[in-house]
Amino acid sequence: AQSVAQPEDQVNVAEGNPLTVKCTYSVSGNPYLFWYVQYPNRGLQFLLKYITGDNLVKGSYGFEAEFNKSQTSFHLKKPSALVSDSALYFCVVRERRGGADGLTFGKGTHLIIQP
Amino acid sequence: NAGVTQTPKFQVLKTGQSMTLQCAQDMNHNSMYWYRQDPGMGLRLIYYSASEGTTDKGEVPNGYNVSRLNKREFSLRLESAAPSQTSVYFCASSLVPGQSMSEQFFGPGTRLTVL
Repeated sequence: AQSVAQPEDQVNVAEGNPLTVKCTYSVSGNPYLFWYVQYPNRGLQFLLKYITGDNLVKGSYGFEAEFNKSQTSFHLKKPSALVSDSALYFCVVRERRGGADGLTFGKGTHLIIQP
Repeated sequence: NAGVTQTPKFQVLKTGQSMTLQCAQDMNHNSMYWYRQDPGMGLRLIYYSASEGTTDKGEVPNGYNVSRLNKREFSLRLESAAPSQTSVYFCASSLVPGQSMSEQFFGPGTRLTVL
């Protein structure tokens, strides 16, 4: 069975500094990986995905993620954090369920950007 | 283009009462999903519908039923609500399965409290 782990419940970063939100995964076969963001009292929004190809994936709002097969990791990064980036971030792995794309979510990491 | 809409936004029930959560999407997606979000647990899949006319259980289906009314609408029913079903419920949809790995689009959520 597929699984995904986010080892940090919370990450604190000063505005303007680079940020990293960590994610490791476990899948049988090729991994399909996603990052979603949830702002307070809102639904989830898609940030980026890795299916195949380049290990560095660029997404929305200046975020990017690096796929590392040997370390089974898919860390989310941004070169310069903004206060508005403060939110709950989910790393997600896809698993096939009867023809539909079922997603398995990590527990989420609260990202707090301090002014 | 409203995307994925959910009603109601908030609901309080007494133990044993029943209710139906409504979800609709206007993106012509074939697959639809119901998740619940509990603190510290990420999102867990309750039921999904790969296409109109089909539904399947996800990770936590007990106590719930679903109906794929048509291509646009996917409802979630609680026949006899229990306090353990207090949660935030999200509906999502995605493009036809089997194509390139499309992301899921989420509704704004329904916050349900069972007393």
